[in-house]
Amino acid sequence: AQSVAQPEDQVNVAEGNPLTVKCTYSVSGNPYLFWYVQYPNRGLQFLLKYITGDNLVKGSYGFEAEFNKSQTSFHLKKPSALVSDSALYFCAVRDRGSTLGRLYFGRGTQLTVWP
Amino acid sequence: DGGITQSPKYLFRKEGQNVTLSCEQNLNHDAMYWYRQDPGQGLRLIYYSQIVNDFQKGDIAEGYSVSREKKESFPLTVTSAQKNPTAFYLCASNPTAFTEKLFFGSGTQLSVL
Repeated sequence: AQSVAQPEDQVNVAEGNPLTVKCTYSVSGNPYLFWYVQYPNRGLQFLLKYITGDNLVKGSYGFEAEFNKSQTSFHLKKPSALVSDSALYFCAVRDRGSTLGRLYFGRGTQLTVWP
Repeated sequence: DGGITQSPKYLFRKEGQNVTLSCEQNLNHDAMYWYRQDPGQGLRLIYYSQIVNDFQKGDIAEGYSVSREKKESFPLTVTSAQKNPTAFYLCASNPTAFTEKLFFGSGTQLSVL
C-alpha cells in the first residue's frame, strides 16, 4: 500500500526565518515524490519533484526538498520564508513500479508566515 | 491560453438531485483525474481515466459517475446516492498517467441546499 503522512496540520514561522514542512512516505517500491502548493480557492500548483539522482531537489519560488531513503522522508524547506509563502502544502508519492499512474496525497500542512 | 477549465466555480445541489461538474482541458493530455478535497483530509481520488473511453474507480467512487467520450472532457456527476457531497472538487490532468507532474483546474465548490 502507498501512503503519505504529513505529521503537522499547521506550521507557523516568522518572515525571514527558515521553514520546514515535513513529509514521510510508504511505498512498496522506489518512489517518485512531489510537493504541491494550494492558495485559497484555487487548484494545486506543482512545486518540485524527486525522481532520481541528487537527494536535494530545487523547485519553484526558492523551495527545496531533501529525499532521505533511510528515513523515508521528503521534507520541504526554504532558507528564508516570505509572507506570500503562506498557503496549504501537499506532499504526494507514486510508486515508480506501479502500473497505475496515480498519485497519493498527504492531508496537507497549512503554512503561515507572519510579518 | 492552455489549461484546465472547471465549471461552474460554485454549485448548489438540492436533495435527491444529480449534478454534473465540468472539466475541460486543451493541453492534449491523455490522463485525467477527479479529486475531492475536504478540510483536514487532503485530496482523495474519486475517478481517473488514462485514455479516452476508459476510466477506473479511485478510493471514494461510490455516489459518483464519470464519462470520457472525448480526450479533452472528463465530466463528473454527483448522484443522489452521494449523501455527503459538500466539498471542493478538483480536476487534474497529465500527458500520460506516468508523467510526473499533474496540472490542476481551479476547482468547483459544491454545497447542499
